[in-house]
Amino acid sequence: EIVMTQSPATLSVSPGERATLSCRATQSISGNLAWYQQKPGQPPRLLIYGASTRATGIPARFSGSGSGTEFTLTISSLQSEDFAVYYCQQYNNWPSYTFGQGTKLEIK
Amino acid sequence: QVQLVQSGAEVKKPGASVKVSCKASGYTLTTYYIHWVRQAPGQGLEWMGIINPSGGSTNYAQKFQDRVTLTSDTSTSTVYMELSSLRSDDTAVYYCSREILPVAIGGGYYAMAVWGQGTTVTVSS
Repeated sequence: EIVMTQSPATLSVSPGERATLSCRATQSISGNLAWYQQKPGQPPRLLIYGASTRATGIPARFSGSGSGTEFTLTISSLQSEDFAVYYCQQYNNWPSYTFGQGTKLEIK
Repeated sequence: QVQLVQSGAEVKKPGASVKVSCKASGYTLTTYYIHWVRQAPGQGLEWMGIINPSGGSTNYAQKFQDRVTLTSDTSTSTVYMELSSLRSDDTAVYYCSREILPVAIGGGYYAMAVWGQGTTVTVSS
C-alpha cells in the first residue's frame, strides 16, 4: 500500500503570508494526487486534482505542484477562511486510495 | 444543483450492521462513480470503497473487504453503504462522494469533487 506522509502536522502562519504544505508518497504516483480542505463539522472540499489543476470555484491563491513522490500545496496569501485541515490523497494505486494524515493550518 | 444527501445519524450495538444511504440529485447517478470515506472522531480520512452505479461493480479497501457492501438503486438515484459486524472503532462520520469526472470522459478511480453532508454512526453497547 502507498503511504502518504504530510508535513508539517501543524503549520502556524499569519494572515496575508504564504503557506506551503508538503505531501510525500512512498512510491511514484505520477500526477494522480488531490488536495482537500476540511473545516470542523464539514465534509472535505476538493481544492486540487491532477497535482496542479484547481477544482471549480477554487481561488487562484491555491496552487499545487509536484509529481512522482513529492507534492506541494501553496496558499499564496492566507485569508481567514483558509485556516483548516488539509489532506492529500493519491488515486494512482487503485483500488487502494490513501490519504495523508493531514496538516492543520492555524493562525499565528 | 448537484447534491448528495445522506441518511441520518445511527446508533448501533457491537455486532450489528448499519446501512447508510446517499441520494444523488442534480445529475444522473449512473454517470459518475461514487466513493465512501469515513472519519473517526478527531482522526483523518479513510477510504472504504467505490461503486460504479451503472452496473454496480465495486471495489473495497482491503481493511473492509469482508464487512462492507456498496449497492446502488438507479430508480431512486441512491447508493447504499452497509457495514456489518460493527465494533466500537467503527464509530465515525461516513461520507459518500462523487468523482469530478464522469465515466464517459475518464472518470473512475479519480478525485472526489462532490460530498455528502456525512452520517454519524455510533457503535456503543
